[in-house]
This record gives sequence, C-alpha cells and structure tokens, in this order.
Amino acid sequence: AQTVTQSQPEMSVQEAETVTLSCTYDTSESDYYLFWYKQPPSRQMILVIRQEAYKQQNATENRFSVNFQKAAKSFSLKISDSQLGDAAMYFCAYSPNFGNEKLTFGTGTRLTIIP
Amino acid sequence: GAGVSQSPRYKVAKRGQDVALRCDPISGHVSLFWYQQALGQGPEFLTYFQNEAQLDKSGLPSDRFFAERPEGSVSTLKIQRTQQEDSAVYLCASSLAGFGAGEQYVGPGTRLTVT
Repeated sequence: AQTVTQSQPEMSVQEAETVTLSCTYDTSESDYYLFWYKQPPSRQMILVIRQEAYKQQNATENRFSVNFQKAAKSFSLKISDSQLGDAAMYFCAYSPNFGNEKLTFGTGTRLTIIP
Repeated sequence: GAGVSQSPRYKVAKRGQDVALRCDPISGHVSLFWYQQALGQGPEFLTYFQNEAQLDKSGLPSDRFFAERPEGSVSTLKIQRTQQEDSAVYLCASSLAGFGAGEQYVGPGTRLTVT
C-alpha cells in the first residue's frame, strides 16, 4: 500500500520569504501522480500543483514549485515570496496513474505567515 | 456552479440516527470519490465510482456506510445508526476520467457531528 508522510506538522515563514514543505512517499509503482493541495481555514481544498512521475522536470506554478526526487521518493513544495493568503493546511497526496486513482494524503502541514 | 458542491454543509445527528450526504460533481466528470477527514488529519479514501459503477469501496469503515451514484452524476453517502466516531468532514471529489487524468476537484465537504 502507498503511504505519504509529512514530517512537519507546523511551519511558519515571514511574509515575502521562502519556505519549503517536505513530503516523502512510498510506492512500488513506477508511474503515478503527486499533488500538493491547500486547505485554508474553513474553506475548500484546492489543488496547488501536480507532478507526473514520468516527467523529470519539476513542476512550477507561479510562486509554487516542487523538488521531485523520484529515487528518494521525495516531493517537497517551495513557496516563494510568501503572502498572507498562503496561510493554510497543505496536504501532499499520491495517486496511481491507472485504475482507481484514489488519493492517499499525508497528515498535513499547517503553514503560518508572519506579517 | 462550476465546482463540486455538497449538501448539507453541516449536519448534527444524534447517535443512532441515519444521515444522507449529497455530492454534485462537476458536470461530465466520470470519476467520483468520497473521503473522510477526521479533525486534524488528512482525508482518507472511502469509496470510488466510475459513472454509476462503484469500483472500490474498500475504505468504507463498516457496513453502516453505504454510497450510491445511480445515474452516474449525483452521489449520496449514507451512514446508518451513526456513532460518535463517525464525526468528521466528508469530502467528495470528482475527476474528468479514470485513466490518468489525475486531477481531482474537491468539494467543500459536509461536517458531520454526532452527539
């Protein structure tokens, strides 16, 4: 079974600085998807960024980028120029690339932005 | 609306009552997933539909939980004889297709409190 581990329950960063959230996962598959989801307080979960395992190039979305290390099974999220609106729970998630594409989530990292 | 919607947003049930939670996926989305998110935890998979077929129900915690999607669009998650441990946020997600599309759109959730 796949597992996703987020070892940082809480992180904080000064506004405008850069922060990196860690995620490791375990799978025996060679092709899969990885995601970072953001869940603001009392608000809907939204997709921040996704990475397809067969692509070596790290995904980027504006201020958000990932460091995907397939051999190490590591998938960290870097947020540059942190903004107050980035404050949220961040969940790392794994999905197989075939059949039931259910998401396996980590336990989340609560990110606080310090003004 | 353009997103996944769920109703009710909040539900309080007395222990032993039956509840029904509704999910309206994005129009045209083939795959539909239900997740359970306990307080302070990441979502955990409950069940998966492709159109009207329930292809995986391995995450349903007991036979008190039942889900259906009779016409391949709206889905209902029913919990019979609710228990306090059923208190959680129930998330519904949909995706365009079950063959590698990967991206799931998550609804706002139904917060169930069993007293």
